[in-house]
Amino acid sequence: EPEVTQTPSHQVTQMGQEVILRCVPISNHLYFYWYRQILGQKVEFLVSFYNNEISEKSEIFDDQFSVERPDGSNFTLKIRSTKLEDSAMYFCASTPDRLANYGYTFGSGTRLTVV
Amino acid sequence: DQQVKQNSPSLSVQEGRISILNCDYTNSMFDYFLWYKKYPAEGPTFLISISSIKDKNEDGRFTVFLNKSAKHLSLHIVPSQPGDSAVYFCAASKNNNDMRFGAGTRLTVKP
Repeated sequence: EPEVTQTPSHQVTQMGQEVILRCVPISNHLYFYWYRQILGQKVEFLVSFYNNEISEKSEIFDDQFSVERPDGSNFTLKIRSTKLEDSAMYFCASTPDRLANYGYTFGSGTRLTVV
Repeated sequence: DQQVKQNSPSLSVQEGRISILNCDYTNSMFDYFLWYKKYPAEGPTFLISISSIKDKNEDGRFTVFLNKSAKHLSLHIVPSQPGDSAVYFCAASKNNNDMRFGAGTRLTVKP
């Protein structure tokens, strides 16, 4: 069964450093998302991406965050200057259509630890 | 952002019995509701969904009920199995896009 692949599974970075989280969505999917889950808290929407541009973003997704689809397969989330509070599980998701009823397919996540 | 609430952080049920997971929402503009299941070290997995024009959707052992007037939905699992033990997230979307998740309920099904 097709799956969304995220790398690395665990990233440790120093506060203030830039970090890039990588995702390979399912090949025929057109809509891409980043969510995050701080330990013990809810899954939070960060950003949605379609047709090489951001469709929606949350208040969490400030100027420190950016997303890119540099080629036909990868979808990346960049955090320019990491803060301690950015430590979380980051989940990438994709869907063939913007309709939520398709049920997003999530990756296994990248655990980001900022020290 | 408390638009989707799951007020029970945990639920324990005996194998074979019914599990009922509850979810409340505040935004009347939500038009699509979904349940996701999450195992440790994995991403959420889509389980079942319901449109706001319906009040019930059934898929095997899983049934989702929607009460729009109360802004409440529930997931029923019957019969519950030990493999159902996971964290269950309720999610809602507006214009069928851009999901918002609840905080999750950890279900434990005891053999």
